[in-house]
Amino acid sequence: DGGITQSPKYLFRKEGQNVTLSCEQNLNHDAMYWYRQDPGQGLRLIYYSQIVNDFQKGDIAEGYSVSREKKESFPLTVTSAQKNPTAFYLCASHRQGRTYEQYFGPGTRLTVT
Amino acid sequence: AQKITQTQPGMFVQEKEAVTLDCTYDTSDQSYGLFWYKQPSSGEMIFLIYQGSYDEQNATEGRYSLNFQKARKSANLVISASQLGDSAMYFCAMRVNNQGGKLIFGQGTELSVKP
Repeated sequence: DGGITQSPKYLFRKEGQNVTLSCEQNLNHDAMYWYRQDPGQGLRLIYYSQIVNDFQKGDIAEGYSVSREKKESFPLTVTSAQKNPTAFYLCASHRQGRTYEQYFGPGTRLTVT
Repeated sequence: AQKITQTQPGMFVQEKEAVTLDCTYDTSDQSYGLFWYKQPSSGEMIFLIYQGSYDEQNATEGRYSLNFQKARKSANLVISASQLGDSAMYFCAMRVNNQGGKLIFGQGTELSVKP
């Protein structure tokens, strides 16, 4: 079955450590996105990529980095520069030209202590 | 500024009854898309329904329908015949033309279905 996978489901890190969240899709979608969700809030865009080897900052990119070396993969690194990294992170993908399709992965809940 | 507003933090509905979740939006774009997602306690965002700004008819998907009133900039979700499994957070979102077609989300409405 086609879909988006994110691993791991739960992630725990010590303050000051970088951590990389995985996102893989086999939907052949061109665009991929990373969103952050804080408790009781909607989602906010961190980074997005519309094509391999190209990506752009979203609304809250500070303290995060991404890469897009393959169409299927869009990993997100939460760096030690991110002041409040504890959150729920959701990856999404979208096929260009199919406006109504934007699907999400199951998410990774990151806790930094 | 582009914005989505959901004014109902929480809603209760009796099983088998219909419920309307409110959503208003603000944009100066002529072309945009409106989405509703369901988020159960597991956290996954489940796509429910989509309405394009140029669509003349209201979108429907099974028990979900979208009451689209363009002049009032509202896109309310109607769930008919509520089921216990409908208990979840519901988010209204709008696709914007900049930033790669990102989605802007409202704060969400927590729906609880009573048996």
